[in-house]
Amino acid sequence: GDSVTQMEGPVTLSEEAFLTINCTYTATGYPSLFWYVQYPGEGLQLLLKATKADDKGSNKGFEATYRKETTSFHLEKGSVQVSDSAVYFCAQTNYGGATNKLIFGTGTLLAVQP
Amino acid sequence: EAEVAQSPRYKITEKSQAVAFWCDPISGHATLYWYRQILGQGPELLVQFQDESVVDDSQLPKDRFSAERLKGVDSTLKIQPAELGDSAMYLCASSLGLGQGDTEAFFGQGTRLTVV
Repeated sequence: GDSVTQMEGPVTLSEEAFLTINCTYTATGYPSLFWYVQYPGEGLQLLLKATKADDKGSNKGFEATYRKETTSFHLEKGSVQVSDSAVYFCAQTNYGGATNKLIFGTGTLLAVQP
Repeated sequence: EAEVAQSPRYKITEKSQAVAFWCDPISGHATLYWYRQILGQGPELLVQFQDESVVDDSQLPKDRFSAERLKGVDSTLKIQPAELGDSAMYLCASSLGLGQGDTEAFFGQGTRLTVV
């Protein structure tokens, strides 16, 4: 079935370091891909999305490119801040039909130290 | 800014008791989702409504869980009886509809359930 696999955390970085969180997916069709962020004790917030191959989603300095050939959607940021500390979830959904549920990875905890 | 409202934020209940969670989606959003997030895992869909109709409840443990959205607006998720394994964060989300252009899901802050 459809699934999402993320790199395990925690990822611990110093402020201003480069961030990569790997995400790969398996899907029967052509899904849309998402990164959500969850701050402690909060719900999920959409960080960025891409709806077709080669699309690049970007927001708040974060970027991810939809790579159909490698079935990947890796999250990157050039210079992380302490305020970026959170859990990051990669997700996919297939539009069409009666349901468009999000399928999430297990999440990656990012801890940024000053 | 419009938000998905959930209550309560935290709930502690004893095993075998009944518990209910409430969700008010963003106004005008036809699609409403209930997800369960076990600590250290990603959220998993329990039930999805389109207006007042259930479109996916394949992962809902129907022997103890029930969900309703009677007027196609707010929704209630109930567990009876609660079990220790039900301890989790219960997240509600809503979106405009099912088409590709309007399916961005907005999440509430969740209800943290602890069963003792």
